[in-house]
Amino acid sequence: GQQLNQSPQSMFIQEGEDVSMNCTSSSIFNTWLWYKQDPGEGPVLLIALYKAGELTSNGRLTAQFGITRKDSFLNISASIPSDVGIYFCAGPSGGSNYKLTFGKGTLLTVNP
Amino acid sequence: GAVVSQHPSRVICKSGTSVKIECRSLDFQATTMFWYRQFPKQSLMLMATSNEGSKATYEQGVEKDKFLINHASLTLSTLTVTSAHPEDSSFYICSAHAFGQGGTYEQYFGPGTRLTVT
Repeated sequence: GQQLNQSPQSMFIQEGEDVSMNCTSSSIFNTWLWYKQDPGEGPVLLIALYKAGELTSNGRLTAQFGITRKDSFLNISASIPSDVGIYFCAGPSGGSNYKLTFGKGTLLTVNP
Repeated sequence: GAVVSQHPSRVICKSGTSVKIECRSLDFQATTMFWYRQFPKQSLMLMATSNEGSKATYEQGVEKDKFLINHASLTLSTLTVTSAHPEDSSFYICSAHAFGQGGTYEQYFGPGTRLTVT
């Protein structure tokens, strides 16, 4: 089945720094979704991307849909302590049942 | 964005008993909902796809007689963990599929249910 390789697995940064994480796939995706999960909570959709080359922002977050349709990245600018959490990339697994394939997540720690 | 709720948020039960978890889409209709299981520091593992008015589709390795799913309406899906054992202790999360603007695809998650079986 399809697999998403997400990196890095974890990041430790200082407040105010910028962050970048990415996802790659061996197969083409038509949609890329980026989620954030706080401890003990469900994932929250941050950004959805639908076109190759698309660059979309949501506040301090920016995500891009790679031209090859096999990768996507998420940038967080000027990080703050509440950015702490696990960030997941995801994309439809194919077929008509709308299942998602998830990356393994990037654990972000922000030191005040 | 679309809102999905789950109830209860936490439940502790004794081994051998059954537990029901509800998942509701609050402000949209969801013909398709999903149930995931998540272990600490791991990604989400899809258990089953729940379709309104039809039988759920289970992922390989998930016991359908143990994890009963009922999608009785366009806004409610339930997961019942039958004859629970300590190894069933986990974080269970539901999600609902919704179409965004222009028919684009989005999936929204509930807040999760922490199940502890003693």
